[in-house]
Amino acid sequence: NAGVTQTPKFRVLKTGQSMTLLCAQDMNHEYMYWYRQDPGMGLRLIHYSVGEGTTAKGEVPDGYNVSRLKKQNFLLGLESAAPSQTSVYFCASKQAGEFREQYFGPGTRLTVT
Amino acid sequence: AQSVTQPDIHITVSEGASLELRCNYSYGATPYLFWYVQSPGQGLQLLLKYFSGDTLVQGIKGFEAEFKRSQSSFNLRKPSVHWSDAAEYFCAVGVISNFGNEKLTFGTGTRLTIIP
Repeated sequence: NAGVTQTPKFRVLKTGQSMTLLCAQDMNHEYMYWYRQDPGMGLRLIHYSVGEGTTAKGEVPDGYNVSRLKKQNFLLGLESAAPSQTSVYFCASKQAGEFREQYFGPGTRLTVT
Repeated sequence: AQSVTQPDIHITVSEGASLELRCNYSYGATPYLFWYVQSPGQGLQLLLKYFSGDTLVQGIKGFEAEFKRSQSSFNLRKPSVHWSDAAEYFCAVGVISNFGNEKLTFGTGTRLTIIP
């Protein structure tokens, strides 16, 4: 099993450009999450999904959109990138059930200039 | 709202020495408590978790943590560290919202450096 994979690993964008980050999991997990990690701030939840076709906002959703068309994939989109979105983005997935373990991908480092 | 504080940003420990990483939380009831580890360039991995019962919980890689309700703390310990333990450690608090959703709040992390 590959677990949770993220594409791409690194990306540099100019302000105003758009991009999509792809998260894929092969563990048949129901729940998927997108976090951002910034120095001195820990991880903050952007959006999450409790199943195929459903998404919900997390703590810091502004400027991001998500889609979960297939159970194994969770896409994070930036329509018009801003320097404040420079961060490391982590995807995670877990089984249904209260506070089951979240499995994290290796992260995507995004720089917006 | 719940919050998590990890008061130590960076800790340096000699290989073979004992380790204690501090975590304090704020929440009206007993929350779910977690410790995650992040090795350089990697995602987070769960070390251990506490839901209820025995306040001393054992995790992977020889780590343990103790829940102390009176101090609102959940400190992580290891009796003898190895060079491979160098990483960033995150404490997290989990609560169920009024809408029945899980919410996991992470601390800001403690970076552990091991010296030979």
